[in-house]
Amino acid sequence: GQQLNQSPQSMFIQEGEDVSMNCTSSSIFNTWLWYKQDPGEGPVLLIALYKAGELTSNGRLTAQFGITRKDSFLNISASIPSDVGIYFCAGYYSGTYKYIFGTGTRLKVLA
Amino acid sequence: NAGVTQTPKFRILKIGQSMTLQCAQDMNHNYMYWYRQDPGMGLKLIYYSVGAGITDKGEVPNGYNVSRSTTEYFPLRLELAAPSQTSVYFCASSRDRLNIQYFGAGTRLSVL
Repeated sequence: GQQLNQSPQSMFIQEGEDVSMNCTSSSIFNTWLWYKQDPGEGPVLLIALYKAGELTSNGRLTAQFGITRKDSFLNISASIPSDVGIYFCAGYYSGTYKYIFGTGTRLKVLA
Repeated sequence: NAGVTQTPKFRILKIGQSMTLQCAQDMNHNYMYWYRQDPGMGLKLIYYSVGAGITDKGEVPNGYNVSRSTTEYFPLRLELAAPSQTSVYFCASSRDRLNIQYFGAGTRLSVL
């Protein structure tokens, strides 16, 4: 089945550093979502993007819908220990009833 | 607000046993989904439903069955459990196909 390419797969960063991750696809998407999954929990929505070029923030998180509609980016500024978890992107394209999920970026923050 | 509720949280099955994973949502959402998440992997769609009485296969439906008799409930049935079905199962719901999906906390299943 189709899945999005998400990178990096994992990263260790120092507390206070900025984090960047991205998601790419061979298909054009109409909607991009970014979720965070804490250990032992289900994914929780962070940001939703609906237009190409859209830039949306949620606190220290900023996500962008790529101009080509085939990619999306998530940035976390000034990371803190509670940012640890798995970040998933999900894309939706016209004509389907489902979102396609990326394989996740596992973030670990070193205090 | 309960949102999406999944039961049980954990279960161990023997090969060949059957079980039903329960999912309920109280948001009156039309769309409901079942995903599995294997270790280190993303989410793969098993089945989805666009409304009561309507279900369809996702990417990995083999070995599973679903039913949707009401808007609120969307149970997932494993008839003959196999080790390959060891995974974490997530149920999700959304208002419509363009809307964001809300996830339950998951059911962690081991088949030994």
